[in-house]
Amino acid sequence: AQKITQTQPGMFVQEKEAVTLDCTYDTSDPSYGLFWYKQPSSGEMIFLIYQGSYDQQNATEGRYSLNFQKARKSANLVISASQLGDSAMYFCAGLGGSYIPTFGRGTSLIVHP
Amino acid sequence: DAGVIQSPRHEVTEMGQEVTLRCKPISGHDYLFWYRQTMMRGLELLIYFNNNVPIDDSGMPEDRFSAKMPNASFSTLKIQPSEPRDSAVYFCASSFSGGAGTGELFFGEGSRLTVL
Repeated sequence: AQKITQTQPGMFVQEKEAVTLDCTYDTSDPSYGLFWYKQPSSGEMIFLIYQGSYDQQNATEGRYSLNFQKARKSANLVISASQLGDSAMYFCAGLGGSYIPTFGRGTSLIVHP
Repeated sequence: DAGVIQSPRHEVTEMGQEVTLRCKPISGHDYLFWYRQTMMRGLELLIYFNNNVPIDDSGMPEDRFSAKMPNASFSTLKIQPSEPRDSAVYFCASSFSGGAGTGELFFGEGSRLTVL
């Protein structure tokens, strides 16, 4: 079974600054994937980025990048050049060989102008 | 391609009434998940299906909750009788375990249930 921990209930960042949202995982699966989802106030869950456990490079998708540190079992999301529209809940999720995802409790990000 | 489609988007009902939430997964996906989201408990996995077969319903809170997947393109989550504490957003999500995919979940827009 996997466990996903997001220790930051809320984060604030100034517009145009970078912000890091923390995620640690605990799994016994030799192969796994880590995901980040964004949930704006409208409620939908939007897939942002994926990192596979065997990927050699950190995943990047536009302004999103994943700081994957296997030894520390962390998969932190970095958002560069924050925009007001980035204000949302962010969920980290893990997926092992069972294909059953485990979600963290989420981090609420507020971007200040 | 159409995404995961859920209906209704909003439902307001009175305590004791039966509620049925519906979901159409993405064609070709072999996993379907039902989640409940509340402020207090976050995102909870209620039940999931693999190839239309319920695999784990240990997250279903009580016998008042039931879910079915009669075919690959349709699933229902039923609450009978409903109670105010069932008020939440219910998400359906689907995924594909085969090929070179990541197993990423695709979520519907959710059904917001309010039980008065």
